[in-house]
Amino acid sequence: NAGVTQTPKFQVLKTGQSMTLQCAQDMNHNSMYWYRQDPGMGLRLIYYSASEGTTDKGEVPNGYNVSRLNKREFSLRLESAAPSQTSVYFCASSDRGSGANVLTFGAGSRLTVL
Amino acid sequence: ILNVEQSPQSLHVQEGDSTNFTCSFPSSNFYALHWYRWETAKSPEALFVMTLNGDEKKKGRISATLNTKEGYSYLYIKGSQPEDSATYLCAFSRSGTASKLTFGTGTRLQVTL
Repeated sequence: NAGVTQTPKFQVLKTGQSMTLQCAQDMNHNSMYWYRQDPGMGLRLIYYSASEGTTDKGEVPNGYNVSRLNKREFSLRLESAAPSQTSVYFCASSDRGSGANVLTFGAGSRLTVL
Repeated sequence: ILNVEQSPQSLHVQEGDSTNFTCSFPSSNFYALHWYRWETAKSPEALFVMTLNGDEKKKGRISATLNTKEGYSYLYIKGSQPEDSATYLCAFSRSGTASKLTFGTGTRLQVTL
């Protein structure tokens, strides 16, 4: 009963390096999301995928790309990391069938860009 | 950009006190209002989802109300306990983009003995 699993939990990058955050859910949810959490800013939506095969920008998409690989997996890629991308990243999924898209969150990935 | 505001930013109460927080959101094209509870070092967990004006939800000592016409929701905690200490987030979605939730910055509650 894993729910939403995201990896890695921690990562330190140098400016300009690239990396991919992986997210998988086993709840057969249609929608998946990537949020970032910064002090005083709350959770801000980076990208979301309302259903398999679609992706849309959220509030803060610049510097990120996403891939909805299949219904289970939604990855977030930083092509050239910048210190401003130091944050805690949360993946989430929701069931559109519930009518109101209640989110189930992963445990978070803490990324530091030096 | 949707503007979801929560107040107060933080709150410190004693065990046994009752308290409430406010979430305000744009009232046009409303679809749903969510409340989440976020404990330190954990992930946010859903408390309530409300979709209809006048909705009231209750889970134990925690309850919530919704006014979609004026764009606000209240979260109430009756008889606060130390285990209620957490950040309480509200999130809003609009019809047409129902899967896109916009979060407020949260109310941080600390309950002491």
